[in-house]
Amino acid sequence: DAGVTQSPTHLIKTRGQHVTLRCSPISGHKSVSWYQQVLGQGPQFIFQYYEKEERGRGNFPDRFSARQFPNYSSELNVNALLLGDSALYLCASSGTSAALGELFFGEGSRLTVL
Amino acid sequence: GDSVTQMEGPVTLSEEAFLTINCTYTATGYPSLFWYVQYPGEGLQLLLKATKADDKGSNKGFEATYRKETTSFHLEKGSVQVSDSAVYFCALISNSGGSNYKLTFGKGTLLTVNP
Repeated sequence: DAGVTQSPTHLIKTRGQHVTLRCSPISGHKSVSWYQQVLGQGPQFIFQYYEKEERGRGNFPDRFSARQFPNYSSELNVNALLLGDSALYLCASSGTSAALGELFFGEGSRLTVL
Repeated sequence: GDSVTQMEGPVTLSEEAFLTINCTYTATGYPSLFWYVQYPGEGLQLLLKATKADDKGSNKGFEATYRKETTSFHLEKGSVQVSDSAVYFCALISNSGGSNYKLTFGKGTLLTVNP
């Protein structure tokens, strides 16, 4: 069975640009969460979606946005990129609203902002 | 707010040594506690969990007990293997305050096991 898949795996952008990261959850999973992992730190929560509705948002600026599609895949968008946005962006899916904490993570999209 | 504090790494052990990685937490209510592991080149994986006080989570020889009185969830393994080399993250999910949708992670502890 396919796990959580993310694309692209690596990308390089310059300050001020926009980026879109994509995530396909495990088949049958209706919840998708996004986390940012800066080098040497633990993942930080950005968004959670369940059944196409936003259920939670972390302490990130409005430059960060996301959405979930009818097939439960998801996109994370970041506008006006800053150097500090350089990180590994993780997508995770779960079969419930994620309240049980049992998330299945993808390998991440590594974003470098120059 | 919720927070998780892990012992600073890196931790380097010889094969068959005993492992302890300390984790303490601050949270409102009664959180569920987790250990996630990140092997080189792979995504985060759930290693074990405990959902209430005195519960013991276990998997692959690893154990951790939910200690409400000390707000701790220390990870232990009696005999580590080279294949256990990875980054270990302690995490919690709050069951109160409307925050039961996000995991709060510690900073992670890098474990290297030498043959």
